[in-house]
Amino acid sequence: KAGVTQTPRYLIKTRGQQVTLSCSPISGHRSVSWYQQTPGQGLQFLFEYFSETQRNKGNFPGRFSGRQFSNSRSEMNVSTLELGDSALYLCASSSAPQGARETQYFGPGTRLLVL
Amino acid sequence: QKEVEQNSGPLSVPEGAIASLNCTYSDRVSQSFFWYRQYSGKSPELIMSIYSNGDKEDGRFTAQLNKASQYVSLLIRDSQPSDSATYLCAVFPGGSYIPTFGRGTSLIVHP
Repeated sequence: KAGVTQTPRYLIKTRGQQVTLSCSPISGHRSVSWYQQTPGQGLQFLFEYFSETQRNKGNFPGRFSGRQFSNSRSEMNVSTLELGDSALYLCASSSAPQGARETQYFGPGTRLLVL
Repeated sequence: QKEVEQNSGPLSVPEGAIASLNCTYSDRVSQSFFWYRQYSGKSPELIMSIYSNGDKEDGRFTAQLNKASQYVSLLIRDSQPSDSATYLCAVFPGGSYIPTFGRGTSLIVHP
């Protein structure tokens, strides 16, 4: 079974731009969670989608948004990029109804650099 | 502010020794606890989950949970150089589906 895939793997943007990241979960997984990882703040939960609905949201500004499609693929969008948005963005999928509280499998991440 | 604390390390142990990694948390009603391993430049992978007080063993790994003292630990027996990685502790507060991660402990197992 193929693992979680994320595209693109690397991205360079400038301040003020917006970016869309994509995540394809493991086949059959309906829960997709997004995380931001930085050296300063560590790994932080952004939001979780389950069956096309945002089920949980972390403490991030409204510039961070996401969605999930009927095939469970998910996208996250960051608008009006700031330098502090430079980070590794990780997507994780789970087959369990409780999502991140059960076994979740992480994708390789998208490394975003904002200049 | 719910906090999860880990010693950043590095924790250096010789090959074959027991590595002990600790994590403390501030939310007394936390219910679910996870240990992840993250190799440099890679994404985290789940090692163990634990929900009840006591020990849970899986191969060379043992997770220990003490809710009264608000700590969870991970023991790695017969440590191997391939265990060298950063270990992240994740805690779910009671009733919450939003995890709080510690900053991670860097483990170095030297031959």
